[in-house]
Amino acid sequence: KQEVTQIPAALSVPEGENLVLNCSFTDSAIYNLQWFRQDPGKGLTSLLLIQSSQREQTSGRLNASLDKSSGRSTLYIAASQPGDSATYLCAVRLNFGNEKLTFGTGTRLTIIP
Amino acid sequence: KAGVTQTPRYLIKTRGQQVTLSCSPISGHRSVSWYQQTPGQGLQFLFEYFSETQRNKGNFPGRFSGRQFSNSRSEMNVSTLELGDSALYLCASSLKRQTPYKDTQYFGPGTRLTVL
Repeated sequence: KQEVTQIPAALSVPEGENLVLNCSFTDSAIYNLQWFRQDPGKGLTSLLLIQSSQREQTSGRLNASLDKSSGRSTLYIAASQPGDSATYLCAVRLNFGNEKLTFGTGTRLTIIP
Repeated sequence: KAGVTQTPRYLIKTRGQQVTLSCSPISGHRSVSWYQQTPGQGLQFLFEYFSETQRNKGNFPGRFSGRQFSNSRSEMNVSTLELGDSALYLCASSLKRQTPYKDTQYFGPGTRLTVL
């Protein structure tokens, strides 16, 4: 059974700092991995999707990496801003025919102005 | 392009009642998945529908059911509500089987269900 873990559960950093969020999964046979952000009481916003054959994806100040063999992914946020404050979730998908996402527990990020 | 929409946004029900939630996917998306989010269990997969057929199902009791219509809109039904069914219910849509390497899932804002 696939299990996804995110550490730390909460993180506070001063504005302007670079930071890394971690995601680990137990079964390395994944199809893709997706990073989302969730604002309080809201739905999920997709940030980046990495296919199993890729090593990293970039979008603006965000960079996500994937190491399938070690079962790990990181989300790097450069030059953090107060608007980045949210809960960040990673989710893995096992195969193409199955849309099911297995989510991590999330990291609640607070950027201190 | 409009995003995924869910109605209603908020619901209050009492134990024993039943409820129906609705999800309209992004235009052109044929797959709709449902998730339950609670503080204790996090986000858990309920089921996925594609071409009006349930393709995958999570580990939830039979009180949770769904369906998909020919226009890809989906409904989820929970019968005999329990206090533990209080949660944020999210639906997600994707293209599926059209662009296998760009099949991001897009989530709606969710329906907040409170069972009293």
